[in-house]
Amino acid sequence: EAGVTQFPSHSVIEKGQTVTLRCDPISGHDNLYWYRRVMGKEIKFLLHFVKESKQDESGMPNNRFLAERTGGTYSTLKVQPAELEDSGVYFCASSPGSGPYGYTFGSGTRLTVV
Amino acid sequence: GQQLNQSPQSMFIQEGEDVSMNCTSSSIFNTWLWYKQDPGEGPVLLIALYKAGELTSNGRLTAQFGITRKDSFLNISASIPSDVGIYFCAGQDAGNMLTFGGGTRLMVKP
Repeated sequence: EAGVTQFPSHSVIEKGQTVTLRCDPISGHDNLYWYRRVMGKEIKFLLHFVKESKQDESGMPNNRFLAERTGGTYSTLKVQPAELEDSGVYFCASSPGSGPYGYTFGSGTRLTVV
Repeated sequence: GQQLNQSPQSMFIQEGEDVSMNCTSSSIFNTWLWYKQDPGEGPVLLIALYKAGELTSNGRLTAQFGITRKDSFLNISASIPSDVGIYFCAGQDAGNMLTFGGGTRLMVKP
C-alpha cells in the first residue's frame, strides 16, 4: 500500500512569490489533514478535510493560505504571497476514520522563504 | 488554544542508557500519542494511550497516560543508535485533530 505522498520535498522561494504544495493521501482515506512545523517548534494543525469538505480550518494562519481537495482525492495548499515566517516543514496526513491508528503522515515539504 | 509542554527539549545519552521524556497539558485529552520523526520523514506512531492510568509497552518503549488525563511519559530502555530522532507527544480530542508537544531531540553516542 502506497503511503501519503507529498510534492515537492523541498521548495525555496522568494518573499512575495506563490507556492503550491501537493498531498496525495492513502487511497480510500476520507480524512486528510495539513500540519506544519515552524522554526523547530511544535507541529501545529492547519486544517482537516473529510472527502472534499473542510471539516475544520481553525488552524489556518491567515488568508494567504488556501487549501483545496478536488474530488476528495489529492489536496493542495497554496501560499500566496509567501512571507518569511511561512518557512517550515508542511506535513500532510490521512486517515480512514477516527482514532490514531491509520493516521499516516507524509514525509513533509520543507519550505524556505528567502 | 491547547498547548502541550514537552521536556526535555534535547538529550544526549550513551548507548545502553535508559531515556525518559514527558508531556503535560492544561487541557484534558481523550487519547495520548507518542510519535518518532526520523530525518527527512514524517512522524510515525509509536504508542497510543486511551485510558487514564493506562501503561503500554512496545518493545523497549513504555508509555503511560496520566490519571488526570493531562500528562504522559515515554521511557526507552537500553537505548541504541537507531533510537536517534525527534520524539513528539500528541493529544487527540474528539475532533480528530492532534495537538503536538515541542519535541524531544534524542542523540545517542555509540
